[in-house]
Amino acid sequence: DMKVTQMPRYLIKRMGENVLLECGQDMSHETMYWYRQDPGLGLQLIYISYDVDSNSEGDIPKGYRVSRKKREHFSLILDSAKTNQTSVYFCASSPRQNSGNTLYFGEGSRLIVV
Amino acid sequence: KTQVEQSPQSLVVRQGENCVLQCNYSVTPDNHLRWFKQDTGKGLVSLTVLVHENDKTSNGRYSATLDKDAKHSTLHITATLLDDTATYICVVVDRGSALGRLHFGAGTQLIVIP
Repeated sequence: DMKVTQMPRYLIKRMGENVLLECGQDMSHETMYWYRQDPGLGLQLIYISYDVDSNSEGDIPKGYRVSRKKREHFSLILDSAKTNQTSVYFCASSPRQNSGNTLYFGEGSRLIVV
Repeated sequence: KTQVEQSPQSLVVRQGENCVLQCNYSVTPDNHLRWFKQDTGKGLVSLTVLVHENDKTSNGRYSATLDKDAKHSTLHITATLLDDTATYICVVVDRGSALGRLHFGAGTQLIVIP
C-alpha cells in the first residue's frame, strides 16, 4: 500500500517548547520533503532529503532541522518553537528528485504554537 | 516573488456545471506541470501531469492543457459533483534546480453547491 504517514496530525505547543513531527513512507523512496502550507501561499519547501543522512536546506530552513536515519523515516524538528511556526506541515516522498509526476503527500500535521 | 499564479482564487459553481481553472507561471526552465487536488484537511493528490508543449491530458471528468510558450495551463472539470469541492493546486517542476524544486501555486478553492 503506497502511503505517506505523518504523526501527529494535530499538535498544540507553547512557545519555546520543542516539536517533533514524524513522517514515514512504505515505498522505499529515496527523496523526501518537508513543506509548510499557510493560507494564501503555495507550499514552501523547508528541507529536502535525497537519502539517509543526505539532507539539504530548502527555501525556509531557519528554525527547523531534520533527521533521516532510515530511508523510510524523515523527521522535522523545531527547537524552541515560535508562534510564526504555526502552520500545516506536509511531508512528501518521491522515487527521485524532480519527479513531480510521482510525488506522494501525507495528510499533514497541523501545529499551533501559543 | 510568486512564480506560479492561479486564478480565480475561489470559485462557486452548481453541481453539474463545468468550470475552468487557470495557472500561469514564470518558472524557467520548466520541466513539467502537475495539477493536484486537496480536500479540506487532507494531503495533495495528483490529478494529472503535463510534460510537452501543447500537451493535453484527460482523467475522467478532469482534463488539462499546457502551453509552454505562454507558460499557461488550464484545468477543466466537466459536470461537477459535490465531491469536487476542494482546493486545486498547480505545481511546476524546475528542471534547472539542483534541489528538485517544485513551485506551488496558492491554489483555487472550488465550491460545488447543490
